[in-house]
Order: sequence, then structure tokens, then C-alpha cells
Amino acid sequence: GNSVTQMEGPVTLSEEAFLTINCTYTATGYPSLFWYVQYPGEGLQLLLKATKADDKGSNKGFEATYRKETTSFHLEKGSVQVSDSAVYFCALSPPTGRRALTFGSGTRLQVQP
Amino acid sequence: DAGVTQSPTHLIKTRGQQVTLRCSPKSGHDTVSWYQQALGQGPQFIFQYYEEEERQRGNFPDRFSGHQFPNYSSELNVNALLLGDSALYLCASSLSQGLTNGYTFGSGTRLTVV
Repeated sequence: GNSVTQMEGPVTLSEEAFLTINCTYTATGYPSLFWYVQYPGEGLQLLLKATKADDKGSNKGFEATYRKETTSFHLEKGSVQVSDSAVYFCALSPPTGRRALTFGSGTRLQVQP
Repeated sequence: DAGVTQSPTHLIKTRGQQVTLRCSPKSGHDTVSWYQQALGQGPQFIFQYYEEEERQRGNFPDRFSGHQFPNYSSELNVNALLLGDSALYLCASSLSQGLTNGYTFGSGTRLTVV
């Protein structure tokens, strides 16, 4: 079946540091890939997405590239801010059918001033 | 434009009781999915409703059931509550034609079973 594996957290960084959160997946065919962010006490917000191999999703300074050869979708940001502190979830949806999302377990990011 | 609205935001129930959670999808969306998020975990897919029918179901027991109304809103019902049902329940809406824009999630209902 489909699965998503994320790096364990928490990840603690100083403001303006470079961020990488690793995500790898197992799926049949070419799933769509997503990063969602969850701020304390809130639901999930879509951060970025990619629907085919070599696509790069980007939003608010975050980027992730769909790598079919390594089945990865790592999240990166060049300079994090305190306001980026949240839990980040990598997710996939299969290429056919009703496309329920399969999530990773989440990675908590803590950015210190 | 209102996003996904869920009610109530919090509730506390006793083991063995039944609970109903409600969701109004984002304007223009016709598909509603429900997810369970245990503390410290990623969301787990419960089921999805489209055209008032359950179209897809995750690995959840029959105690979890749902309904979709003609206005696309949805309910999640859980019978015979267990302590392990304590979680954040998320509703997500989307367009039936695909997920190119991803799901829109509500803020969730925090269910505590005591």
C-alpha cells in the first residue's frame, strides 16, 4: 500500500538558518505529493504541491521537488523565521480514484530567535 | 469566501456514548473527507463522501459512519465510543474532478472520551 516516511522531529533551528525536512514515499504509479503545515490549535493548510516527476512546488519561500528516481519530496527553505514554527506533514494521493491522502507522521519545527 | 467549517470545536464524551460531528465544505466543493488525527500523529483517512454516497473508506470499524446531505455538508457519527477514539477529527473538502489544488481542511473537532 501507500506510505509516507518523514524525518523524526523536533527540528530546532535558529532564525535565518536553512531548513530541510526529508520525506520519502512508497506508492504505485505517479502519485501527487503535498506538504501541509499545521500551526498550534489549527487544522492543516496546504503549503505546496507537485503532481508529476521533476515538478517543483513552491510557496512562501518553501520549495520541494518531486524526485521519482529517489521517491522523495524533501521540503526546503533558505531562511526560516520564528513564524515558521509549526508541524509539517508530507502527504500523497494516488493518481486514480478518489485519491484519499496518506500522511506521514509529521515533523515539528521550532525556530528560535 | 468561507472555508471548511466544523462544529463543535471541542467536546467531551463518556465511553460507550455516541457522537455526531458536522462539517460544511468550502463553497464550490462537492466532496467531503474525514480524517482522524491522534495526538502527535499524522491524519488517518476515515472515509470520503461524494454525491451523498460513501465512495472510499479507510481502515476504520463500522462504529464510524457518515452522511452527506444535498447541500454537500456532512456528518461523522461514532458509536460505542472508546478511549482510543480521542483525537482531532478533521474534515476536508475538494472538487470531485481531481486534486490539483489539494484538499481544504477545517480546523477540526477535538473529541475527548473519558
